Amino acid sequence: GAGVSQTPSNKVTEKGKYVELRCDPISGHTALYWYRQSLGQGPEFLIYFQGTGAADDSGLPNDRFFAVRPEGSVSTLKIQRTERGDSAVYLCASSLTSARRGAGELFFGEGSRLTVL
Amino acid sequence: AQSVTQLDSQVPVFEEAPVELRCNYSSSVSVYLFWYVQYPNQGLQLLLKYLSGSTLVKGINGFEAEFNKSQTSFHLRKPSVHISDTAEYFCAGMDSNYQLIWGAGTKLIIKP
Repeated sequence: GAGVSQTPSNKVTEKGKYVELRCDPISGHTALYWYRQSLGQGPEFLIYFQGTGAADDSGLPNDRFFAVRPEGSVSTLKIQRTERGDSAVYLCASSLTSARRGAGELFFGEGSRLTVL
Repeated sequence: AQSVTQLDSQVPVFEEAPVELRCNYSSSVSVYLFWYVQYPNQGLQLLLKYLSGSTLVKGINGFEAEFNKSQTSFHLRKPSVHISDTAEYFCAGMDSNYQLIWGAGTKLIIKP
């Protein structure tokens, strides 16, 4: 497709379970970002990939969160031992070039809404 | 601390009336500033950005914003709103690692 695609759009899980969220960026975009958005707040930065490598993972809240982008395209955000506080909308965005050169012009998916019961 | 503040969580306005959505940034945030819009059931999209040059920036759909360094503000304006402008608007600045720092968002509610 032409835009950033995220799956699933909705995920309900139980506390303690493992969850994977997938992001398919715009073809040719080298930069990929994950954000988390809680109700009434703006997006919170989690991790930024430039190609296959995580260039900045300073936003990951703890070691239960991990993300990969093995071939420099699709990315998966993995959350282990989910907690109720992990409930949020997880946003993925991509950009044609690096964070520095992309100058903040990001293209976002519609998000994956995660609910942990 | 680096921060971007949107004081108004909601702004109701009548159709065809002017609107201003306020955004203030901390001086530690770089002067690369952005407004993004999120229409219902859609992803965030860039409305306009200020990187340098003229302090008045024009964006899509008739929106514009003015960078004011002395007041550390980047307010968004439109002279006449339409029902299709109903959305949530986010202001963002860029930190020293070139990552975006976001405000909490302002819901624009258009009254017919």
